[in-house]
Amino acid sequence: GAVVSQHPSRVICKSGTSVKIECRSLDFQATTMFWYRQFPKQSLMLMATSNEGSKATYEQGVEKDKFLINHASLTLSTLTVTSAHPEDSSFYICSAHPPGTTYGYTFGSGTRLTVV
Amino acid sequence: KQEVTQIPAALSVPEGENLVLNCSFTDSAIYNLQWFRQDPGKGLTSLLLIQSSQREQTSGRLNASLDKSSGRSTLYIAASQPGDSATYLCAVKPGGSEKLVFGKGTKLTVNP
Repeated sequence: GAVVSQHPSRVICKSGTSVKIECRSLDFQATTMFWYRQFPKQSLMLMATSNEGSKATYEQGVEKDKFLINHASLTLSTLTVTSAHPEDSSFYICSAHPPGTTYGYTFGSGTRLTVV
Repeated sequence: KQEVTQIPAALSVPEGENLVLNCSFTDSAIYNLQWFRQDPGKGLTSLLLIQSSQREQTSGRLNASLDKSSGRSTLYIAASQPGDSATYLCAVKPGGSEKLVFGKGTKLTVNP
């Protein structure tokens, strides 16, 4: 149990276009999901906290207009990278915490975004 | 501000060796601590979760300990195998916060 599914695993897009990444909780409801970015050989950087039915909370320095987050249901959060540029190329990972204390945080498999 | 440090940054061992990965955190007011494994280009796989009231957790060849008062956790891997090669990340959940604080990880290589 406690699986988070993330799609796509890899995406290549042209500069100036937008890309949507989906994060789904498969067997639990997630009122909160987290979006991270990971640069090569570095640890995870929290970008934003996605809240079901309300606006996301962005970390300092993260452009909310560039990284649009939608959490329209209890099992789905999406991250849209708008007007992507090569510097947005990175590894993006989502996470959620199933209810209760048995499980810790569970992570998606990540999305490798390459902007050309 | 909570900070998490992992030592060493990289470790290379021969197959079969027992090893210990270290994690320290600056603020003992944590809710729990979680150890993850990350393979190259992949997401994080949860290995062990230790609640603040617990001293250790075990899963197979893995044993994680927690000394909250001293701000330390260790991940012990017994009889290491090449398949254990990965980056191991330690993360704490501060009390009163939903946000995990990660260490920078230890890259483990187990040589056949």
